[in-house]
Amino acid sequence: KAGVTQTPRYLIKTRGQQVTLSCSPISGHRSVSWYQQTPGQGLQFLFEYFSETQRNKGNFPGRFSGRQFSNSRSEMNVSTLELGDSALYLCASTSGAHVEQFFGPGTRLTVL
Amino acid sequence: DQQVKQNSPSLSVQEGRISILNCDYTNSMFDYFLWYKKYPAEGPTFLISISSIKDKNEDGRFTVFLNKSAKHLSLHIVPSQPGDSAVYFCAAVKNNAGNMLTFGGGTRLMVKP
Repeated sequence: KAGVTQTPRYLIKTRGQQVTLSCSPISGHRSVSWYQQTPGQGLQFLFEYFSETQRNKGNFPGRFSGRQFSNSRSEMNVSTLELGDSALYLCASTSGAHVEQFFGPGTRLTVL
Repeated sequence: DQQVKQNSPSLSVQEGRISILNCDYTNSMFDYFLWYKKYPAEGPTFLISISSIKDKNEDGRFTVFLNKSAKHLSLHIVPSQPGDSAVYFCAAVKNNAGNMLTFGGGTRLMVKP
């Protein structure tokens, strides 16, 4: 079974731009969660999608948004990028039958 | 308010010895606790989990202990191997919060040959 895939792996943007990151979950997994990892704040939950509906949202501004498609693939979007948005963005999927989530390799976003 | 804390940023252990990584939490509503291992430039890899109704779970070289009264859990790795060198995160989840994981800050484990 293929693991969680994320594209692109690396991205460089400038302040004020917007960015879209993509995540393909493990086949059969319907829940996709997004996390941000920074040196200062650690790993923080952004949001979770299940069956195309946002089920949970972390404490992030409205510039961070996401969606999930009928095939469970998910995208997250960050608008009006700020320097502080530079981070590793991780996507995780789960079947829901077990508690463990499986993570993709992440997208390293650098905002200049 | 950090609900999950890993107070030791780093730990160094000799190959073959036991590694003990610790984690404390403040929210008694957590239902499951998980441990992940992370290498640089990769996503976290799931290691082992424990339900809040248990006090121990084993999987090969990895054992997790949960002390609910102390709101403390620990991961034991025996014997430690150089390939275990990575950053270890503990995480917690509540059943009524979907799949939202709350992570600790991580502990960097270095296993010396």
